[in-house]
Amino acid sequence: GQQLNQSPQSMFIQEGEDVSMNCTSSSIFNTWLWYKQDPGEGPVLLIALYKAGELTSNGRLTAQFGITRKDSFLNISASIPSDVGIYFCAGRDAGGTSYGKLTFGQGTILTVHP
Amino acid sequence: NAGVTQTPKFQVLKTGQSMTLQCAQDMNHNSMYWYRQDPGMGLRLIYYSASEGTTDKGEVPNGYNVSRLNKREFSLRLESAAPSQTSVYFCASGRLAGLNEQFFGPGTRLTVL
Repeated sequence: GQQLNQSPQSMFIQEGEDVSMNCTSSSIFNTWLWYKQDPGEGPVLLIALYKAGELTSNGRLTAQFGITRKDSFLNISASIPSDVGIYFCAGRDAGGTSYGKLTFGQGTILTVHP
Repeated sequence: NAGVTQTPKFQVLKTGQSMTLQCAQDMNHNSMYWYRQDPGMGLRLIYYSASEGTTDKGEVPNGYNVSRLNKREFSLRLESAAPSQTSVYFCASGRLAGLNEQFFGPGTRLTVL
């Protein structure tokens, strides 16, 4: 099936540092989504991207839809302890049908030390 | 709005027992999805329903059945639970076409002994 490679798998950072993570696909996507999952909870949508080259911000979070349409990046600036969690990318294959089936990356586990 | 709700939140089964996981959404979405989440595997699609009255297999459908009861509700049934089905199960809903955002419930944590 469709594969998304998400990296890094985990990050340990100090409060105040910036964070970058990315996802790459073997095929062209027409949608990229970024989710955050807190322990014991369901994933929550952070940012949605629909156009190649699109750069979208949500507070301290910024995500970009890669020009090649095969990758996406998420940056978190000035991290705080509540940023801790698992971050997932998800994408919709450009060849897919309209029911919105997504493929998910394996997640980046973020730990922030105060 | 409650968004996507799931019941139960936790469940322990013995091998061979059956159970149904319930999911409901109040966002008037056409599409609904069931995923399982295992450590290091991300989210894998079990079944989905593009619209009321239709269901289709996802990536890992074996051992599961689903019912799209109406536009709001989408249930997942394990007929004969196996230890390999120990996982966290998430229901999600989204629009049928255009925007592909999916919104998730809080999950059901299932252990099969």
